[in-house]
Amino acid sequence: KAGVTQTPRYLIKTRGQQVTLSCSPISGHRSVSWYQQTPGQGLQFLFEYFSETQRNKGNFPGRFSGRQFSNSRSEMNVSTLELGDSALYLCASSVSGRALEQFFGPGTRLTVL
Amino acid sequence: QQQVKQSPQSLIVQKGGISIINCAYENTAFDYFPWYQQFPGKGPALLIAIRPDVSEKKEGRFTISFNKSAKQFSLHIMDSQPGDSATYFCAASAVGGYQKVTFGTGTKLQVIP
Repeated sequence: KAGVTQTPRYLIKTRGQQVTLSCSPISGHRSVSWYQQTPGQGLQFLFEYFSETQRNKGNFPGRFSGRQFSNSRSEMNVSTLELGDSALYLCASSVSGRALEQFFGPGTRLTVL
Repeated sequence: QQQVKQSPQSLIVQKGGISIINCAYENTAFDYFPWYQQFPGKGPALLIAIRPDVSEKKEGRFTISFNKSAKQFSLHIMDSQPGDSATYFCAASAVGGYQKVTFGTGTKLQVIP
C-alpha cells in the first residue's frame, strides 16, 4: 500500500501571497489531519477532516483553511502569508481519525520570505 | 490545560546506554498517550502508546512508564543504538485517541558510538 503523499515537498513564497498544499491519504483512509511543525512549537494540530467534513479544529487564525474531497484527498490553504508561517506542514491519515491508526506523510516545507 | 510538556530538549547517549525522555500533562481528560519517532526528512511514526489503566508498557527496547497521579509519563530506550538517533515526541489525546492529538515539543536524541 502506498503511504501518505504530500505535494509539493518544498515551497518558497513571499509575504502576502497565498499557498495551497495537497495531501493524498492512504487508500481506504477517510480521515486526514493537518499539523504545523516548527522548531520552537513542535507539532501543532491545525484541523481534521473526515468524509469531507471538518471534525476538529486547532487554535489557528482563519487564514488557515482546508477541505477534503470525495476521494479523501485534502488540501490546506494559507492566505496572506506571514514570515511566521514558515514551517513543515504535515498531513496524517487514518481510517477513522484515531491517533493510534494515524500515518504521517513526509511533509511540505514552506518558506516565507 | 491542553499542553504536554516534554524534556529534555536534546539528549546525547552512549551506545548501549539508556535514553530517558519525560513528559507531563495537565488535562485529566487525556486517556491515550502515544510516542512518535521522527527521522530527518520524514514524518513522525507511531512508536508505542499507553493508556492510563496500566503503569508500564514494553515493546522490545522501548518502554513507557506512566504515573497517573503525577500526570507524568516517560519513554525509556534500553541498549540505545546509533539507529535510534531521531527526534521523539510524546503526545496525548482524549476519548481513546479519537480527539485531536496534542504533542510535546520534541527531544532530539543522538546516540554516539
